Amino acid sequence: SQTIHQWPATLVQPVGSPLSLECTVEGTSNPNLYWYRQAAGRGLQLLFYSVGIGQISSEVPQNLSASRPQDRQFILSSKKLLLSDSGFYLCAWTLGSSYEQYFGPGTRLTVT
Amino acid sequence: AQKITQTQPGMFVQEKEAVTLDCTYDTSDPSYGLFWYKQPSSGEMIFLIYQGSYDQQNATEGRYSLNFQKARKSANLVISASQLGDSAMYFCALYAGAGSYQLTFGKGTKLSVIP
Repeated sequence: SQTIHQWPATLVQPVGSPLSLECTVEGTSNPNLYWYRQAAGRGLQLLFYSVGIGQISSEVPQNLSASRPQDRQFILSSKKLLLSDSGFYLCAWTLGSSYEQYFGPGTRLTVT
Repeated sequence: AQKITQTQPGMFVQEKEAVTLDCTYDTSDPSYGLFWYKQPSSGEMIFLIYQGSYDQQNATEGRYSLNFQKARKSANLVISASQLGDSAMYFCALYAGAGSYQLTFGKGTKLSVIP
């Protein structure tokens, strides 16, 4: 069966520091991968999605970036964090033409 | 553009009773799908149920059913026989258009089940 992992689970970072969040999927190949952010008490906002290695599409312009160095690995990065980057970051995956997205456990980021 | 509206910020239901969570959507694309996800306090998003725009029957998954009214553009989630473990945030989401990769989420409804 497929599983999705995210780490770290929680993170507290000062403003201006770099960020690296990792997401990996097991038990499948060539998944579509997604990064979402959820601000406190809000719905999910799609940040990036990827349909293959090295293929990244950005939905919201901001100081975040994403990379997909391996088939089942998706990384969210920032060179300098802003206070507004605080939130709950969720990674999700789908297979092929399926639209049903399965989510990871999430990373709670607090920028101080 | 696609839009999801959930008008109930919070709902209360007595244990063992049924509850309906409202969701209306807007899209001009004839091919679309609607999802409901549950988010407990742990934060993980749990897929509950899916309805495609061309599905003839309302979707059901155990105690969850989706009341799909296409003409009214509504896709309400019905939870029967509520349990204490059903207390969580519930999100309605929409994808529209063949080849679309984006799910548009509503702002969610917080359901509290009372013993």
